[in-house]
Amino acid sequence: KAGVTQTPRYLIKTRGQQVTLSCSPISGHRSVSWYQQTPGQGLQFLFEYFSETQRNKGNFPGRFSGRQFSNSRSEMNVSTLELGDSALYLCASSLPPGEKLFFGSGTQLSVL
Amino acid sequence: LAKTTQPISMDSYEGQEVNITCSHNNIATNDYITWYQQFPSQGPRFIIQGYKTKVTNEVASLFIPADRKSSTLSLPRVSLSDTAVYYCLVAPYSGNTPLVFGKGTRLSVIA
Repeated sequence: KAGVTQTPRYLIKTRGQQVTLSCSPISGHRSVSWYQQTPGQGLQFLFEYFSETQRNKGNFPGRFSGRQFSNSRSEMNVSTLELGDSALYLCASSLPPGEKLFFGSGTQLSVL
Repeated sequence: LAKTTQPISMDSYEGQEVNITCSHNNIATNDYITWYQQFPSQGPRFIIQGYKTKVTNEVASLFIPADRKSSTLSLPRVSLSDTAVYYCLVAPYSGNTPLVFGKGTRLSVIA
């Protein structure tokens, strides 16, 4: 069974641009969560989707948004990028929400 | 969600048994204890989960005392490849709140 796939693996953007990251969950998993990881703040929860509905949202500005499609694939978007948005963005899927998480390898975003 | 406290870092020599303790004084009745392992530039990986007493799998053991206010992840005979960050999480098995990761314990295994 294929694991969680995140694309792209690396991304370099400049301040003010916007970016879209993609996540394909494990087949059959309907819940997708997104996390931001930085050396200073650790792993921080961004949002969680289940059956195309956002169930929970972390404490991030409105520039961070996401969505989930009918096939459970998810995307997250960050608009008006700031230097502080440089981070590893991790996606995780689970069968029902809140159960054991399976993480992808992440997208390393660098904002210059 | 129950707050967890674990050591920031630990060092160990290869071949030794490593025990990482996590404190969770305000654990709720329906909370489970789960441990994840993370290598650099990768997502965390599920290691083990338990509710009470002892759980063992091919990778680790998890010891949970009767009061459940703490838990200990035990890694037998560690190798260099066990160098990673280990996270302890406490949450309902299938709840409506997202899983919150703390800072974790950075384990360094030395040859």
